[in-house]
Amino acid sequence: GEDVEQSLFLSVREGDSSVINCTYTDSSSTYLYWYKQEPGAGLQLLTYIFSNMDMKQDQRLTVLLNKKDKHLSLRIADTQTGDSAIYFCAETLIYNTDKLIFGTGTRLQVFP
Amino acid sequence: DVKVTQSSRYLVKRTGEKVFLECVQDMDHENMFWYRQDPGLGLRLIYFSYDVKMKEKGDIPEGYSVSREKKERFSLILESASTNQTSMYLCASRPRRTGYEQYFGPGTRLTVT
Repeated sequence: GEDVEQSLFLSVREGDSSVINCTYTDSSSTYLYWYKQEPGAGLQLLTYIFSNMDMKQDQRLTVLLNKKDKHLSLRIADTQTGDSAIYFCAETLIYNTDKLIFGTGTRLQVFP
Repeated sequence: DVKVTQSSRYLVKRTGEKVFLECVQDMDHENMFWYRQDPGLGLRLIYFSYDVKMKEKGDIPEGYSVSREKKERFSLILESASTNQTSMYLCASRPRRTGYEQYFGPGTRLTVT
């Protein structure tokens, strides 16, 4: 079945690294995404990774994909207060590329 | 820049009222989506449309209907609003080709009293 899970909360100190984790159950993913939702706003795509990749780096963001364990992570280096938001992982499946399956979202709180 | 707009940011309706939520995108995208977002549940797909007058049920279509008369506009209809439909509603659009992201509107927070 299709299920994407995340922990609900993460709290980090400004300047530290944040790691947000996501697990999924369906191994027929094509793309996996990280979206960010700031307070009162819609979702904004942060980054994505194709399912045949292990890692993708984009400035302060590093995405790691472990297909064997069906585990996706987003690492934010040098976390800033502006990174405080809800982060959603999502996947599309090879047999239904129209649909995004979202995780429950992780609320990241950055304190000084 | 892609722009997805939703007709209202905040809406308060009474139980039993008919509610229309409107979404407009300006990038000629074929696919449009309606989600609801609830704490601890993430985003759940209500309906999506891959062309004018075409629609597909998502994961939680009960109590909702949709309308897509023009390519740029996708409406979500609550025929008879109930308190358990109090939620944040998000609209999204994307091109039909695979690998393209979904672009989201800012959301409508609906309260049904």
